[in-house]
Amino acid sequence: EDQVTQSPEALRLQEGESSSLNCSYTVSGLRGLFWYRQDPGKGPEFLFTLYSAGEEKEKERLKATLTKKESFLHITAPKPEDSATYLCAVLDGIQGAQKLVFGQGTRLTINP
Amino acid sequence: GAVVSQHPSWVICKSGTSVKIECRSLDFQATTMFWYRQFPKQSLMLMATSNEGSKATYEQGVEKDKFLINHASLTLSTLTVTSAHPEDSSFYICSAREPSQPQHFGDGTRLSIL
Repeated sequence: EDQVTQSPEALRLQEGESSSLNCSYTVSGLRGLFWYRQDPGKGPEFLFTLYSAGEEKEKERLKATLTKKESFLHITAPKPEDSATYLCAVLDGIQGAQKLVFGQGTRLTINP
Repeated sequence: GAVVSQHPSWVICKSGTSVKIECRSLDFQATTMFWYRQFPKQSLMLMATSNEGSKATYEQGVEKDKFLINHASLTLSTLTVTSAHPEDSSFYICSAREPSQPQHFGDGTRLSIL
C-alpha cells in the first residue's frame, strides 16, 4: 500500500529564513504527487502536481521538486502569510478508482 | 481556477437528528467527488468516493447507512449524517475533480452534535 511521510511535523522560522519541507513516499508506480496548503478551519488549497523525477514547479516563494523517493517544498524568504499546514499526497489506485493518500502534514509558522 | 463550494460551513444540532452537507463544483463538471473527515491536528481521512450517477464507494470502517452520499449531478454531491451522535462531531471536507485534473477542496463543514 502506498505510504506518505512528511517531516518535520512542525517548523518555526523567522520571516525571511528559507527552508525546505520533506515528503517521502513509497508507491508501486507514481501517478502524481500533490502539494496542498491548508489554513486553520479551511479546506486544502491546491499548490502543485509533480509527475516524474526531476520535475520542478514554482509559485511565488514556493518551489516543489521531485525525486524517485521524495519531494521537497522549498520556501524562499517566507512571510508570515505563508504560515499554514502543508500537505503532501500521492495518487493511489487504478484509473477510475484513484484516490489521494495524504501525509500527516507539516505545520509551518513564520514569525515576523 | 476551479472552485468548490461547501455548505453549511458550520452546524450545531441535537443528538439523533440528521444533517445534510452540500458540495458543489462551481465552474467545472466534477465526474468524481470525495468526502473526507478531519480530526484536530490530523490529516484528512477519506470516507468515500462518488462518481456521478453511481453508488458511492466507502472506505473500510465507514458505515454507508450512517453516512449517505448522493452524487446526482456533475456539480452536486451531498453527504447526510443520519441520526448523528456526539462522536460524529468533526470537520467534514469535500473535494471534486474532472478527469486527469487535481482534486479541489471545499472549505469544510464543522459539525457539532450536542
